Amino acid sequence: EAEVAQSPRYKITEKSQAVAFWCDPISGHATLYWYRQILGQGPELLVQFQDESVVDDSQLPKDRFSAERLKGVDSTLKIQPAELGDSAMYLCASSSRWGNTGELFFGEGSRLTVL
Amino acid sequence: GQNIDQPTEMTATEGAIVQINCTYQTSGFNGLFWYQQHAGEAPTFLSYNVLDGLEEKGRFSSFLSRSKGYSYLLLKELQMKDSASYLCVGQAGTALIFGKGTTLSVSS
Repeated sequence: EAEVAQSPRYKITEKSQAVAFWCDPISGHATLYWYRQILGQGPELLVQFQDESVVDDSQLPKDRFSAERLKGVDSTLKIQPAELGDSAMYLCASSSRWGNTGELFFGEGSRLTVL
Repeated sequence: GQNIDQPTEMTATEGAIVQINCTYQTSGFNGLFWYQQHAGEAPTFLSYNVLDGLEEKGRFSSFLSRSKGYSYLLLKELQMKDSASYLCVGQAGTALIFGKGTTLSVSS
């Protein structure tokens, strides 16, 4: 069964260090999302891609976060420098349809702990 | 603005029926999803309602009333494995608005 792949599953880092997360969506899925989920809360959208284009990054803290999807397939989310408040689960999701998003398929997530 | 409200926690016993309510205020509303999320895992799709009414899928059913801005997820014949967080997700245009989730604890 097709899956959204994410790595690493777990990352522990010290504040002020750089962190990067990778996501490979289900093959053929044009829409890709990065969400941040703090324990006990729902996911919050960081950035949404349609193919290689960013369609929504209004909630992305652009002073320290960046995201790219250069070839419209896999994507990287970077944090530099990491802060204590960035400790969270970072979820990648993909969808096959634009507009009517249909079902969202999530990866297993990357859990970040900033010390 | 865009807002999704659902209870924070609920408890129930094995074999029982539980209803998780969700109210939403979203402009450009298209439909509503329910996702299940076990602790430390990614959310998994349960249901998607676009039209008013009840959608049944095995032990789980989801209801939508667009005029009232209201949905519920109904879980029947509860099992211990149903202990999880249940996320109500509104779709507005191409955006998805997540609720904070309802943590359901099922006890024997």
